[in-house]
Amino acid sequence: NAGVTQTPKFQVLKTGQSMTLQCAQDMNHNSMYWYRQDPGMGLRLIYYSASEGTTDKGEVPNGYNVSRLNKREFSLRLESAAPSQTSVYFCASSVMGPDTQYFGPGTRLTVL
Amino acid sequence: GENVEQHPSTLSVQEGDSAVIKCTYSDSASNYFPWYKQELGKRPQLIIDIRSNVGEKKDQRIAVTLNKTAKHFSLHITETQPEDSAVYFCATQEGSQGNLIFGKGTKLSVKP
Repeated sequence: NAGVTQTPKFQVLKTGQSMTLQCAQDMNHNSMYWYRQDPGMGLRLIYYSASEGTTDKGEVPNGYNVSRLNKREFSLRLESAAPSQTSVYFCASSVMGPDTQYFGPGTRLTVL
Repeated sequence: GENVEQHPSTLSVQEGDSAVIKCTYSDSASNYFPWYKQELGKRPQLIIDIRSNVGEKKDQRIAVTLNKTAKHFSLHITETQPEDSAVYFCATQEGSQGNLIFGKGTKLSVKP
């Protein structure tokens, strides 16, 4: 039982490049989330998927898109990376809604 | 929307002392209040949570208290140990069913 996994662990992009962050969970959770973590800012919600087939914007969605591929997988895409998107990105999942959230190991992204 | 204020931002204690971290929130409909611990370079992990039908919950050396009238809740760590050194985040949900909103975190340092 791996819990929540994320790939890649580290990534460096140039401004304007695109990339997709992958997230998968094997706990049969319904809800999945993408957060970004910046120094002194806590965890801010980018997008979430309350259940398979649905996605919604969170607090800071600009510059990102998501896909809930199936119940297990939830990906985050940066279409045209900007230096302001330099951050640590965490995926999380929960059984349903505001319950215990289990986090992945994170992806450290640097945009030059 | 919901606003969560967390204090202090940094806290340094001697091993064996107690540590208290406080959070205030604005949405009176919130009814779920988790606390997460994040060690350096690791993912956030839930350490304790409380729901609005109780005022206090304990788990060994950690406890959380909730005052719904004043809209604040606190994390108490007794007999602190060096391994308690980490960043602690409080959170509450937006409305009665909404997503989690996190505080900006408290960096706790326990000096041996």
